[in-house]
Amino acid sequence: SAVISQKPSRDICQRGTSLTIQCQVDSQVTMMFWYRQQPGQSLTLIATANQGSEATYESGFVIDKFPISRPNLTFSTLTVSNMSPEDSSIYLCSATGVGEKLFFGSGTQLSVL
Amino acid sequence: QKEVEQNSGPLSVPEGAIASLNCTYSDRGSQSFFWYRQYSGKSPELIMFIYSNGDKEDGRFTAQLNKASQYVSLLIRDSQPSDSATYLCAVGRDVDKIIFGKGTRLHILP
Repeated sequence: SAVISQKPSRDICQRGTSLTIQCQVDSQVTMMFWYRQQPGQSLTLIATANQGSEATYESGFVIDKFPISRPNLTFSTLTVSNMSPEDSSIYLCSATGVGEKLFFGSGTQLSVL
Repeated sequence: QKEVEQNSGPLSVPEGAIASLNCTYSDRGSQSFFWYRQYSGKSPELIMFIYSNGDKEDGRFTAQLNKASQYVSLLIRDSQPSDSATYLCAVGRDVDKIIFGKGTRLHILP
């Protein structure tokens, strides 16, 4: 399985600010994704990070709020913009490689005050 | 609306017994089925996957799939306290459209 490094692991942010989360995979992967896990809830797909082009967003998520970059096969960033307390959540980077199984990074615990 | 349903639990099982976790899904076109284990404060860890009807065994874990009944289950034999976690069922047609259930909290009683 791919090893997925994600940082920061946690952060406490002020309302109205933005946070960029970085995700690095140790090997080439076919697809990269960003998920959100709100307290007591399951995982919700935010978007698919596409290499060299705009991410594909799921219903309810927009690029202005969650801009995503993927400049190469092994690296992606997710920015949570103009944060509000409702954005407090765990954000998870994930990727698929050989065999198309989905693996997760260690996650970013975000708290917005 | 495609859905994956799990009993939230907690499911309490004595140490050494078999833990049985169940999951139903709504999309008949689903092709891939996964079980993830998530410890509190940690990210999900893939423990089993199954693509075909029937049983698949890996160590103490057995995944069972019945596509006709749209049902997938996970059996954990010889349950250990370290198995105490939330187990997420995930189902999808393609890897970019995987839907997760809300998870079942499993508590192994020493």
